Amino acid sequence: GESVGLHLPTLSVQEGDNSIINCAYSNSASDYFIWYKQESGKGPQFIIDIRSNMDKRQGQRVTVLLNKTVKHLSLQIAATQPGDSAVYFCAERDDYKLSFGAGTTVTVRA
Amino acid sequence: EAGVTQSPTHLIKTRGQQATLRCSPISGHTSVYWYQQALGLGLQFLLWYDEGEERNRGNFPPRFSGRQFPNYSSELNVNALELEDSALYLCASSPVGGNQPQHFGDGTRLSIL
Repeated sequence: GESVGLHLPTLSVQEGDNSIINCAYSNSASDYFIWYKQESGKGPQFIIDIRSNMDKRQGQRVTVLLNKTVKHLSLQIAATQPGDSAVYFCAERDDYKLSFGAGTTVTVRA
Repeated sequence: EAGVTQSPTHLIKTRGQQATLRCSPISGHTSVYWYQQALGLGLQFLLWYDEGEERNRGNFPPRFSGRQFPNYSSELNVNALELEDSALYLCASSPVGGNQPQHFGDGTRLSIL
């Protein structure tokens, strides 16, 4: 089975609000995680990554949090915009390959 | 800097035929990965090539194969196509070694009639 999964398949967010997308992983030995965004008709786009020796990492309008105790990963998007509407995947790097969760579809309401 | 490019964008085949999908990695990336994204099944790892050699493969039958050329571009070949092979096939590249993100192309949509 999959080692990485997302808690909710869909998320509806009001434009301007913050979004939080959650992900649980099962392999406690995983040491590298990535968030991707996939828009319709396109391939996954790299958003941000985090190594297991970190708890938090910030990018432009995005923050990833890693809780190794409960094997939980989250992506926070600040001031969500219509262009943020997409499917978001967390991925766990297992040596050479990425294991993906099923994804969360984020819809931004105007 | 050009991203990962894949061709063709769409490919329509019938059962039993063979399909060839192509991928050009980001300049400087030596590792190429192939994934299958079928409806309702998420992204599944297919193959990993580095320095011209197949390094590992996912849980797919041998009729899924490929190769990597000296310029690091790659082909994915699918023989004896079946209806369930209909999917988006994604190629990703990364520098070899260490914790580096894989960067994806926009995929080839393979439809089997």
